[in-house]
Amino acid sequence: QLQLQESGPGLVKPSETLSLTCTVSGGSISSSSYYWGWIRQPPGKGLEWIGSIYYSGSTYYNPSLKSRVTISVDTSKNQFSLKLSSVTAADTAVYYCARRVSVTVGFDPWGQGTLVTVSS
Amino acid sequence: DIQLTQSPSFLSASVGDRVTITCRASQGISSYLAWYQQKPGKAPKLLIYAASTLQSGVPSRFSGSGSGTEFTLTISSLQPEDFATYYCQQLEPFGQGTRLEIK
Repeated sequence: QLQLQESGPGLVKPSETLSLTCTVSGGSISSSSYYWGWIRQPPGKGLEWIGSIYYSGSTYYNPSLKSRVTISVDTSKNQFSLKLSSVTAADTAVYYCARRVSVTVGFDPWGQGTLVTVSS
Repeated sequence: DIQLTQSPSFLSASVGDRVTITCRASQGISSYLAWYQQKPGKAPKLLIYAASTLQSGVPSRFSGSGSGTEFTLTISSLQPEDFATYYCQQLEPFGQGTRLEIK
């Protein structure tokens, strides 16, 4: 059964870079059938897609975050990562990683999510 | 950029009711739409993909329909465990959510 697990610091200072890793277990991140994505949810608010990556390294990002986001994949470790630069308090959120079948829409499964707080 | 607008934003209903949530896209998206259920403190759960295909393990009281710019999620007979927030999603953008509460 495929599982995803987010990891990284729970507290980041303003203006610094948020870095998270998603470790995939129970399946290969190198499958051509899937995209891997990051989604976030500020406390009490809705879901916001951040960006997605294909195992080959092809990426696409939310236009509203594109200038600050980098998503990368490490197939040797079965992981993909998120970097969000120049963070502010508005980036405080639960960050989720998830998988999407490449030919359709819908993320499944999801990681449990990790809360990242931006504060000095 | 495609925008998704859900209605209503809040819905109060009783166990056994039939409820419908609508998701409208700012431009045609064929059948590229998914629906999720999210409960407090939990990750979203995929209910429906490709507008009308039920994800494995999801009860048959959930159904989806639509194509182009207008889509609906219907719960035929609300159960206590269905009270949650529901989101639609195109390939990437999400709707703003519909909170379903017990009347």
